[in-house]
Amino acid sequence: DTAVSQTPKYLVTQMGNDKSIKCEQNLGHDTMYWYKQDSKKFLKIMFSYNNKELIINETVPNRFSPKSPDKAHLNLHINSLELGDSAVYFCASSRGLQETQYFGPGTRLLVL
Amino acid sequence: SQQGEEDPQALSIQEGENATMNCSYKTSINNLQWYRQNSGRGLVHLILIRSNEREKHSGRLRVTLDTSKKSSSLLITASRAADTASYFCATVGNLGSARQLTFGSGTQLTVLP
Repeated sequence: DTAVSQTPKYLVTQMGNDKSIKCEQNLGHDTMYWYKQDSKKFLKIMFSYNNKELIINETVPNRFSPKSPDKAHLNLHINSLELGDSAVYFCASSRGLQETQYFGPGTRLLVL
Repeated sequence: SQQGEEDPQALSIQEGENATMNCSYKTSINNLQWYRQNSGRGLVHLILIRSNEREKHSGRLRVTLDTSKKSSSLLITASRAADTASYFCATVGNLGSARQLTFGSGTQLTVLP
């Protein structure tokens, strides 16, 4: 009955590879997000996706791209992985853009 | 730049004591939210307080908001060891990309049994 789920939980990969992280929510929410949390626990919004409106944080490299096959899914695709991409990535969802968010358990990405 | 800044960065108290965490922000907001993150886990929503509200309660939690000072506080009363976690405030603005949640740097709370 997990509300927001992410796969995989752990991802270890080599520099230069392309990888995807999947996110699914069963809450019927209209808005989904991706966040990056660094080693100092600072949490930064990467994308929000609301009724086909994509808001991108301007600091996110274009190697990162969100893909939403339907309202319940927002996957994160990363091209040409770099060492600095190592972090924990959280997916979240909410009813609306300014409302309470429900977070997934996180995906721990380590780029070697 | 970061919208919210929590104070203190770390707080250690004895079980049964109250814990107060503060958050300051820079621009006008639609609402302010507090989240908790246990080690190695995702964030859990605690309370949302809107810009026209001054105080909100939920169980042992009390949140205040002072929009004139652009600050908020989270009070946890009668703390328990299970309250040990990182606590984040996050603000939501009204326009464009500011409608997204912007997190502060967090307060690490340790409750000693």
